[in-house]
Amino acid sequence: AQSVTQPDIHITVSEGASLELRCNYSYGATPYLFWYVQSPGQGLQLLLKYFSGDTLVQGIKGFEAEFKRSQSSFNLRKPSVHWSDAAEYFCAVGEVKAAGNKLTFGGGTRVLVKP
Amino acid sequence: AAGVIQSPRHLIKEKRETATLKCYPIPRHDTVYWYQQGPGQDPQFLISFYEKMQSDKGSIPDRFSAQQFSDYHSELNMSSLELGDSALYFCASSFWTPLEDTEAFFGQGTRLTVV
Repeated sequence: AQSVTQPDIHITVSEGASLELRCNYSYGATPYLFWYVQSPGQGLQLLLKYFSGDTLVQGIKGFEAEFKRSQSSFNLRKPSVHWSDAAEYFCAVGEVKAAGNKLTFGGGTRVLVKP
Repeated sequence: AAGVIQSPRHLIKEKRETATLKCYPIPRHDTVYWYQQGPGQDPQFLISFYEKMQSDKGSIPDRFSAQQFSDYHSELNMSSLELGDSALYFCASSFWTPLEDTEAFFGQGTRLTVV
């Protein structure tokens, strides 16, 4: 069965500093990987996704993620954090079925941004 | 652009009552997914439908049922509600193709509170 681990429950970062969120996955085949962001009381917004090809993926809001098969990781990065980046971030792995992708989410990492 | 519409946004029910959550997918999307996110938890997959047929099933209680209608909207029916059913319920939709590049788009969620 597929699984996703986000080792950091909370991360506090100063505005303007860099951010890296860790994600490790377990999946039997080539994974489909996603990062979602959730603001309090809001839905899930897709930041970026990896299906195949270039292992460095660019997303929205200045985020990027790198797929490393040897480490089973898909870490999310942002060079300079803005106060509006305070939110919860979920890494997810997609299971390809005959129709559609069922997502398995990690436990999430809550990011706090200090002024 | 049209997004996934969920209604109602908020719902308060008493124990042992029933609730119906509705989801209207993005036009031309043929696959609908339901997820449950408990307080402080990551979203958990409940069930999905493709072309009005159940395509996958996760940790959905027997008290819950769901279906997808001819216009592709979906309803999640929850009976004999328990306090533990209080959660944010997300619907997501996607358009399935044999190609790799598919992703699910999430609605804003329905917050169910059972008192």
